[in-house]
Amino acid sequence: EVQLVQSGPQVKKPGESLRISCQTSGYSFTTYWIHWLRQMPGKGLEWVGIVHPGMSSSRYSSSFRGQVTISADKSINTAYLQWNSLKASDTATYYCARRHYYYDVFEIWGQGTTVTVS
Amino acid sequence: IVLTQSPGTLSLSPGERATLSCRASQSVSGTYLAWYQQRPGQTPRLLIYDSSTRATGIPDRFSGSGSETDFTLTISRLEPEDFAVYYCQQYGSSPLTFGGGTKVEIK
Repeated sequence: EVQLVQSGPQVKKPGESLRISCQTSGYSFTTYWIHWLRQMPGKGLEWVGIVHPGMSSSRYSSSFRGQVTISADKSINTAYLQWNSLKASDTATYYCARRHYYYDVFEIWGQGTTVTVS
Repeated sequence: IVLTQSPGTLSLSPGERATLSCRASQSVSGTYLAWYQQRPGQTPRLLIYDSSTRATGIPDRFSGSGSETDFTLTISRLEPEDFAVYYCQQYGSSPLTFGGGTKVEIK
């Protein structure tokens, strides 16, 4: 069974750094892209960016480029989303999702990580 | 590409038909439009991709149609578990974008 299990909720102060994780299992990690998405409280979904664990390649939405870093460690089948300096406006639930093999849709989702910056 | 979903809220009874609209600000390349369901407090779930292809395990009461700038998600007969928020998403061009969502609530 394909699973994406995300790290637990985080409460941080503005200016702090943070890395959240998305541990995968049940498939070949280096074959599929992993997306990250944001959902601010009570709001809709926004695409943050994508990483290919096999090629170590990342792309970002222009809204998030320079604000976050997406990476992957293929030795432990885990993708990451990282901030160097959090802002209150980063407060949201962040989802990782495995890309469909052929299409840029979000086929399998992690359970979400809630990040609170206050 | 900006996606506009309508209506914002749809109030229906179980057993009724739901028709949700997603309009794009410019033509979506191919039929690269997907729909997701998000139940309260849950993770989104892929329902439809390529405008009309149901994802694995999605019941056939869900159907999608449309092309270019106008897309529709239809739920033929609402079940209690279908009351949720639905999002459309285009993947024909970067950045990937979502509509603002349609909430289907119990009347």
